Amino acid sequence: EDQVTQSPEALRLQEGESSSLNCSYTVSGLRGLFWYRQDPGKGPEFLFTLYSAGEEKEKERLKATLTKKESFLHITAPKPEDSATYLCAVQAGDDKIIFGKGTRLHILP
Amino acid sequence: DTGVSQDPRHKITKRGQNVTFRCDPISEHNRLYWYRQTLGQGPEFLTYFQNEAQLEKSRLLSDRFSAERPKGSFSTLEIQRTEQGDSAMYLCASSPLAHTDTQYFGPGTRLTVL
Repeated sequence: EDQVTQSPEALRLQEGESSSLNCSYTVSGLRGLFWYRQDPGKGPEFLFTLYSAGEEKEKERLKATLTKKESFLHITAPKPEDSATYLCAVQAGDDKIIFGKGTRLHILP
Repeated sequence: DTGVSQDPRHKITKRGQNVTFRCDPISEHNRLYWYRQTLGQGPEFLTYFQNEAQLEKSRLLSDRFSAERPKGSFSTLEIQRTEQGDSAMYLCASSPLAHTDTQYFGPGTRLTVL
């Protein structure tokens, strides 16, 4: 069964304290792995798509990487406005997208 | 391009009532998806359309749920005889056919069943 597991469930960091969020997955025929940001009461906001192991993408203080079994979202020198829930999702051969439960990130000023 | 819009943003209803939500996708996006999200969980796939055709429905979509996209533009999701377990955020997303891997989400409709 296709599955996405994110860790940790919640993470509190001081402003400027870099860290990484983990997304491990099992899926048959991975077509893409996605990272989304979700603020409270809002829909997910698309961040990145990764297609193959070894691929990396960056956006401001965020960098996403992909291996054959997991993805990492690295956050460098975070700011309080980076506080949000970060969702990982995978797309299998049937086009469905399966989401993890997310990591709630809180950056303290 | 104003993004995906959903209406209403919030709905409070009593158990047993019917509710209908609307989603307007990004114009010219062929695919439209419905998801349900409960507190502390990621979005769960419900169903999706390619133009006006409903191509797949999740097992989560009981016979009380029905979705339509009659002209291949906006879509509606109706829940009949609502139950307290239906309380959730209902999210709509759309994508162009050439890039189905990139889904753009709307703000969601928060349903509370009393």
